[in-house]
This record gives sequence, C-alpha cells and structure tokens, in this order.
Amino acid sequence: SQTIHQWPATLVQPVGSPLSLECTVEGTSNPNLYWYRQAAGRGLQLLFYSVGIGQISSEVPQNLSASRPQDRQFILSSKKLLLSDSGFYLCAWGLSGVGAFFGQGTRLTVV
Amino acid sequence: DAKTTQPPSMDCAEGRAANLPCNHSTISGNEYVYWYRQIHSQGPQYIIHGLKNNETNEMASLIITEDRKSSTLILPHATLRDTAVYYCIVRPSNTGTASKLTFGTGTRLQVTL
Repeated sequence: SQTIHQWPATLVQPVGSPLSLECTVEGTSNPNLYWYRQAAGRGLQLLFYSVGIGQISSEVPQNLSASRPQDRQFILSSKKLLLSDSGFYLCAWGLSGVGAFFGQGTRLTVV
Repeated sequence: DAKTTQPPSMDCAEGRAANLPCNHSTISGNEYVYWYRQIHSQGPQYIIHGLKNNETNEMASLIITEDRKSSTLILPHATLRDTAVYYCIVRPSNTGTASKLTFGTGTRLQVTL
C-alpha cells in the first residue's frame, strides 16, 4: 500500500533562516506531488505541484521554492524565512483518476 | 476547475445522519466531485468521489443530482469523531498532467451529543 512521509511534524525557525521540508512517497511510481499551506484559521492554499522529476509548477509568487530530485521525493525550501511563512504545510500525492492523499503536515512557526 | 459553494457550518446530533450539500452549477462533463475532510490539526482525508452515479463506501454516501449541478455527502450515523471541515471539490479526474486540487472554505460540521 502507498504511504506518505512528511517531516518534521513541528518546526520553530527564526526570521531570515533557511527552510527545508521533505516529503517522500512509498508504494507508487510517478505520482503527482503537491505542497499546500494552511495559515491559522484559513483554507488550504496550493503552493506547488509536480508531474515528474524536475518538473515544478508554482501557483503563487512567494518566498518559497520546491524541488523534486527523485520520483517520490518532494522538497519545499526557502533561503530566508519571513514571519508570514508561518503555517501548516502539507504534502500530498495523487495519480490520474485518483484523488490526492495527504501527509500529516508540518507546523512551522517563524519567530 | 469548477467553483463549489458550501454552507460555512452545520450541526448534527450524534447518531443522526449528516447531510452536507454542495453546489457546483458550472461543473463540466469530465469533472468529478470529490469530498475530503480535515479534522483539526491533521491533513485532509479523502472520503469519496463520483461522476454522475451515486456512490457509497464504508465512510459515506455521495448523491449527485441528475443535472450534476449539486451533490450531497451523507454520513449515515454521525459520531463525535466526524466533527471536521468538509470540502467539496470538482476536478477532471483523467488528466495527462497534474490536476490541481483547489480547496474552498468547506463546511465546518459540529457533531453534538
């Protein structure tokens, strides 16, 4: 069966520090991969999605970037965090004809 | 993706059926209706999806109107653990590229004793 791993679960980072969140999927090949962010009390915002290695589509201009170095690995990064980057970050995977399945998320607090 | 409209909140007594409506009047012929829920502080959980026929699984039933402009998610016997935000999404299912899954604000279902 397919599983998705996302870590860390919680993270506190100072303003101006770098960020790297990693997500890996097991049990499937060539999945579509997604990064979402949810600010406190708000809805889910799609940040990036990827259909294959090295292929990244960005949904909103922001202080973040994404990379897909391997088929089942999706990384969310920032060179310098802002206070507004705080939120709940969720990775998800999906296949054509199948809905997306989410990880447990990373709660990031920028201080 | 077609836009959906859901009531912001609903209450349901434990043990009763919870009927969550969703309007998607601009849905296209190749777009499916998906339902997810998000329990507080967790990632969204897939519930069910359908095209035009009614669907049922171990979690819920999905009723889609004949004109496909609206649907209802039914939780037959709601429990306190069903308290969550429920999202209705329409999207094309069989796409050659990643189909963006865009979430609206959903319906906050509160199940009470």
